[in-house]
Amino acid sequence: QKEVEQDPGPLSVPEGAIVSLNCTYSNSAFQYFMWYRQYSRKGPELLMYTYSSGNKEDGRFTAQVDKSSKYISLFIRDSQPSDSATYLCAMMDAGGTSYGKLTFGQGTILTVHP
Amino acid sequence: KAGVTQTPRYLIKTRGQQVTLSCSPISGHRSVSWYQQTPGQGLQFLFEYFSETQRNKGNFPGRFSGRQFSNSRSEMNVSTLELGDSALYLCASSPGLLNTEAFFGQGTRLTVV
Repeated sequence: QKEVEQDPGPLSVPEGAIVSLNCTYSNSAFQYFMWYRQYSRKGPELLMYTYSSGNKEDGRFTAQVDKSSKYISLFIRDSQPSDSATYLCAMMDAGGTSYGKLTFGQGTILTVHP
Repeated sequence: KAGVTQTPRYLIKTRGQQVTLSCSPISGHRSVSWYQQTPGQGLQFLFEYFSETQRNKGNFPGRFSGRQFSNSRSEMNVSTLELGDSALYLCASSPGLLNTEAFFGQGTRLTVV
């Protein structure tokens, strides 16, 4: 079983829809939770990160972390065709010898159609 | 501010050969990490360097190695290439001790034939 599970989709939504992307994890030591967006033939781009449980909002994006359930989410409001990309969740345990190691989900392919 | 630069962008190598990939981090960033991305396994951590010291290493064979120079630029080397090494190799740089803000380059696409 992978440490981080993410539904690969693909997910197709109409423009303006609210998108919900999710990941579950098994390692309770994870403390930092990130969301990346990756366009075709590009490197991943950091959207936002959160520490421990709670919500964080940045424009149309909201990240939620529920450590008790080992579940994280990314919500995209008013989705646009330019949001079409692969979305990757990533996690990090910053303790001990885990410096610098991000553990990624498989990525969810999102298409927003006009 | 220039982003993370990886060279070359594309490489084709033959089985058994070795290859060296280069990464120039964002100016001022002292941490550089490397990842392998494949359709089947996704993004997998290779290793991370901070101020020329390897702080962490992923579960890859010893054929995969890396180093970081005093100017924070980094290289990774893969010896005795196998077909399964074909992948997108990504480098990320971070400003501090924690990699909560890792900025990725566009990657080097390696094809082993």
